[in-house]
Amino acid sequence: GDSVTQMEGPVTLSEEAFLTINCTYTATGYPSLFWYVQYPGEGLQLLLKATKADDKGSNKGFEATYRKETTSFHLEKGSVQVSDSAVYFCALFDYKLSFGAGTTVTVRA
Amino acid sequence: DGGITQSPKYLFRKEGQNVTLSCEQNLNHDAMYWYRQDPGQGLRLIYYSQIVNDFQKGDIAEGYSVSREKKESFPLTVTSAQKNPTAFYLCASTKVIATNEKLFFGSGTQLSVL
Repeated sequence: GDSVTQMEGPVTLSEEAFLTINCTYTATGYPSLFWYVQYPGEGLQLLLKATKADDKGSNKGFEATYRKETTSFHLEKGSVQVSDSAVYFCALFDYKLSFGAGTTVTVRA
Repeated sequence: DGGITQSPKYLFRKEGQNVTLSCEQNLNHDAMYWYRQDPGQGLRLIYYSQIVNDFQKGDIAEGYSVSREKKESFPLTVTSAQKNPTAFYLCASTKVIATNEKLFFGSGTQLSVL
């Protein structure tokens, strides 16, 4: 079945550092890909999405490109802030969302 | 404001007891979902519903039950058959089940066993 694998955390960074969270997927079709973010004690919020190969999703300084050839959708941000501390989930959508295990990111001032 | 409301925020279950988690949405969404979140395991789908009076099992439906009598409501019952119910439960909805529709999530219910 469809599945998502993302890099394990936790990840700890200093402010203004570069962040990359790797995500790869397995799917029989051509799913849409998403990154969701979860702040402490809250539900998930959509961060960005891409619906077809070579699409780039972007939001709040975060970017991810749908790479069909490598079945990847890595999340990047060039300069993180303390407010970016959260759990990040990669997900793919066929008839339902399948989530990765989540990566906890902590940004220190 | 439109959104998804989950209640209660914290819930405690005694052994052998059934408990029901509430999920209400006023977004006029057709599809609703229940996910279970455990540390290090991400989210796993329990049940989902595409329309009123219809629902399907997800990946970990055993020990859970749902109903969808109204479009706005999708309550989840954690039965005594669920032997490891302690987890964070998230309800979500989307307009229709389509490939590029984002899910809207509630703020979750933390269920713990006494």
